[in-house]
Amino acid sequence: ETGVTQSPTHLIKTRGQQVTLRCSSQSGHNTVSWYQQALGQGPQFIFQYYREEENGRGNFPPRFSGLQFPNYSSELNVNALELDDSALYLCASSLEGLGKGELFFGEGSRLTVL
Amino acid sequence: DQQVKQNSPSLSVQEGRISILNCDYTNSMFDYFLWYKKYPAEGPTFLISISSIKDKNEDGRFTVFLNKSAKHLSLHIVPSQPGDSAVYFCAASARGQNFVFGPGTRLSVLP
Repeated sequence: ETGVTQSPTHLIKTRGQQVTLRCSSQSGHNTVSWYQQALGQGPQFIFQYYREEENGRGNFPPRFSGLQFPNYSSELNVNALELDDSALYLCASSLEGLGKGELFFGEGSRLTVL
Repeated sequence: DQQVKQNSPSLSVQEGRISILNCDYTNSMFDYFLWYKKYPAEGPTFLISISSIKDKNEDGRFTVFLNKSAKHLSLHIVPSQPGDSAVYFCAASARGQNFVFGPGTRLSVLP
């Protein structure tokens, strides 16, 4: 059984740039959620995708967008990067919808915005 | 406005003793709770869950207690082992809503 994998693991961008983070869900999981974890805080929900459709969104601006592909892998895109976007971005896959079951997390992509 | 609070940023416990990690929540609609453990440079891993219809759930060395009237849950680890040293996150959800995570408690188990 293949776990959740994320790429890249680390990256550095400058303010105003755009970034794309990628996630492959655990085998058999059709739901992917993205979380932002700032230093010293818990993960904060960005959005969830189920069968290629956005299935819930947290309190993040529209410059945070996503995609889910037919193989259930997913991308998180952030436009017009700001310094406060520096964080660990976690992808989690699951078998069930919002607020149910167990989330299986990847190792995360650490983004630094200079 | 933090809906899930973990008021102890850190906790140190001697190996073999009990570790008790606490979590408080404000949203009375929360009906499902989970605990996650996170090592450095790894993603959080699921430990144990409890639904609001129960007040206790046990899995090996880990037991979660839920006090709905106090909006409080706790994770007990007995006996604590050095490998348990990690950051522990409490998470809660209401039906059909996303999981809300607390800020975490760093547990250090001293040999």
